[in-house]
Amino acid sequence: DADVTQTPRNRITKTGKRIMLECSQTKGHDRMYWYRQDPGLGLRLIYYSFDVKDINKGEISDGYSVSRQAQAKFSLSLESAIPNQTALYFCATSDPQSGYYEQYFGPGTRLTVT
Amino acid sequence: RKEVEQDPGPFNVPEGATVAFNCTYSNSASQSFFWYRQDCRKEPKLLMSVYSSGNEDGRFTAQLNRASQYISLLIRDSKLSDSATYLCVVNPLNTGFQKLVFGTGTRLLVSP
Repeated sequence: DADVTQTPRNRITKTGKRIMLECSQTKGHDRMYWYRQDPGLGLRLIYYSFDVKDINKGEISDGYSVSRQAQAKFSLSLESAIPNQTALYFCATSDPQSGYYEQYFGPGTRLTVT
Repeated sequence: RKEVEQDPGPFNVPEGATVAFNCTYSNSASQSFFWYRQDCRKEPKLLMSVYSSGNEDGRFTAQLNRASQYISLLIRDSKLSDSATYLCVVNPLNTGFQKLVFGTGTRLLVSP
């Protein structure tokens, strides 16, 4: 079983709809992240969380919100989806004790907003 | 100037060839450097960390040049399975916050 899972894997939604992307991990890591990836722009950080009570905005948080329901779960919401939020979304985790700054990514959610 | 810049490629090489990618970073205080590999439509995965002294892992060698602010990845004896996008990744400051800045990637195509 994958250590970091994301649901759904693919989603098509319409402008104005609310949508939630979910991430779960079994790695036991405290730190979790949400990124989006667009062609030519690379991965950009949306939100990150160091633990259940610590949530921080990344470089492109406008139009998004998150919820850290438990150590293992970190959800990303688009309150009112717009077409330029069409992208590949990745959740990631990391272990601050590892010393390597390695992040482990989920398989991604391909979101299309029409 | 972008924090991390890479040549997008694609680099087209035959099997068995040696290929090298460079990546430049803008923040001279950056402390940690990595190469990630990303297959088409898949998640990025750590390929190797880059140490000041340079490091090698099988056919892969990573080098860091702090004076010129670039890192490199050398792949020897290329395999078809090496075809992927290689992401240069930098941790701008060694603050304990594991923020990673990702380059846009260099695409490698290895042909028979």
